[in-house]
Amino acid sequence: AQSVTQPDIHITVSEGASLELRCNYSYGATPYLFWYVQSPGQGLQLLLKYFSGDTLVQGIKGFEAEFKRSQSSFNLRKPSVHWSDAAEYFCAVASYRSASKIIFGSGTRLSIRP
Amino acid sequence: DTGVSQDPRHKITKRGQNVTFRCDPISEHNRLYWYRQTLGQGPEFLTYFQNEAQLEKSRLLSDRFSAERPKGSFSTLEIQRTEQGDSAMYLCASSLVTSGASYTGELFFGEGSRLTVL
Repeated sequence: AQSVTQPDIHITVSEGASLELRCNYSYGATPYLFWYVQSPGQGLQLLLKYFSGDTLVQGIKGFEAEFKRSQSSFNLRKPSVHWSDAAEYFCAVASYRSASKIIFGSGTRLSIRP
Repeated sequence: DTGVSQDPRHKITKRGQNVTFRCDPISEHNRLYWYRQTLGQGPEFLTYFQNEAQLEKSRLLSDRFSAERPKGSFSTLEIQRTEQGDSAMYLCASSLVTSGASYTGELFFGEGSRLTVL
């Protein structure tokens, strides 16, 4: 069964600094990988996804993520964070065969230091 | 722009009572999902529908939980004989999947229905 691990529960970065949120997945075959963001009082929103092809994917709000099969990782990055990026970030995986069910990690809460 | 709407947004109930949540997906979406999220955790998959058919249920979904999507549009999630452990945010999401189309994998989430069981 597929699973997702986000090792960092809470990260604080200064505004304007770079960001990397870690995600490791467990799945035997080629997974579908996602990053979602949840802002306070709002529903989860898709930031980006990886299905195949170029392992560096671009998303909304200036985010990008890199799929590394050898490390079973799909880390999220942003070169310069803004105060509005403070939110909860969830990495998620779906199986290639059963793309209907998306499994989420436990999330990383991002705080921005002024 | 009409997104996914959920009602009620917050429900407080006493242990042993029944509660029902409603989800109205984006109108053209044929798939509808229910997830449960507790504090500090990511959403846990509960069940999903393709049109009116319930295609998968998680083992997390005990016999006290039932979900329906009778006409392939809105859905209800009922919890019978609520327990304190049922306290959580119940999230609904929808997506459009068409045969022959590329899978986008994007779920559109509502803001959730928060259940507090006293």
